[in-house]
Amino acid sequence: AQSVTQLGSHVSVSEGALVLLRCNYSSSVPPYLFWYVQYPNQGLQLLLKYTSAATLVKGINGFEAEFKKSETSFHLTKPSAHMSDAAEYFCAVSPNFGNEKLTFGTGTRLTIIP
Amino acid sequence: DAGVTQSPTHLIKTRGQQVTLRCSPISGHKSVSWYQQVLGQGPQFIFQYYEKEERGRGNFPDRFSARQFPNYSSELNVNALLLGDSALYLCASSLVTGNTEAFFGQGTRLTVV
Repeated sequence: AQSVTQLGSHVSVSEGALVLLRCNYSSSVPPYLFWYVQYPNQGLQLLLKYTSAATLVKGINGFEAEFKKSETSFHLTKPSAHMSDAAEYFCAVSPNFGNEKLTFGTGTRLTIIP
Repeated sequence: DAGVTQSPTHLIKTRGQQVTLRCSPISGHKSVSWYQQVLGQGPQFIFQYYEKEERGRGNFPDRFSARQFPNYSSELNVNALLLGDSALYLCASSLVTGNTEAFFGQGTRLTVV
């Protein structure tokens, strides 16, 4: 079965610093990977997705992620953190090209220090 | 345009009771999925419906059931509630199955006491 592991349940960075949220996947076949963001008391919003077209994926709000097969990783980065980035971030994997039947990681809470 | 709407937003039930949660997809979306998000964890897939037929089911007991109506809205039913059913229940809709983005509602917060 496919799964994802997010390293670090809490990450704190200073405003303007690099954001790095880690995600490793376990899949016997090429995976379809996603990053979602969840703001307090809200649903999930898709940040970006990897569907094998390109290893470096750019998403919304300045976020990007790089698919590294050799490391089975799909880490999320943003060059300069903004206060509005404070939220919960989830990595997810899907068995097919779309984003159905998603399997989510346990999430990483990102705190931005002013 | 209205996004995915879920009702009610909050709900308190007693152990052993039954609950029905409702989801209205974005207009034109035919696929609806349900997820359970226990506090401090990621969402877990419960069901997917497309064109009123079940297209997938996660690892949940038979106490959980769902259906999709001709207007593509959906209901999630949970019988014989347990304390462990306390969670945020999320609904997501998409145009069709496959390579389309799923849009999530804000969820229904269910508390079982």
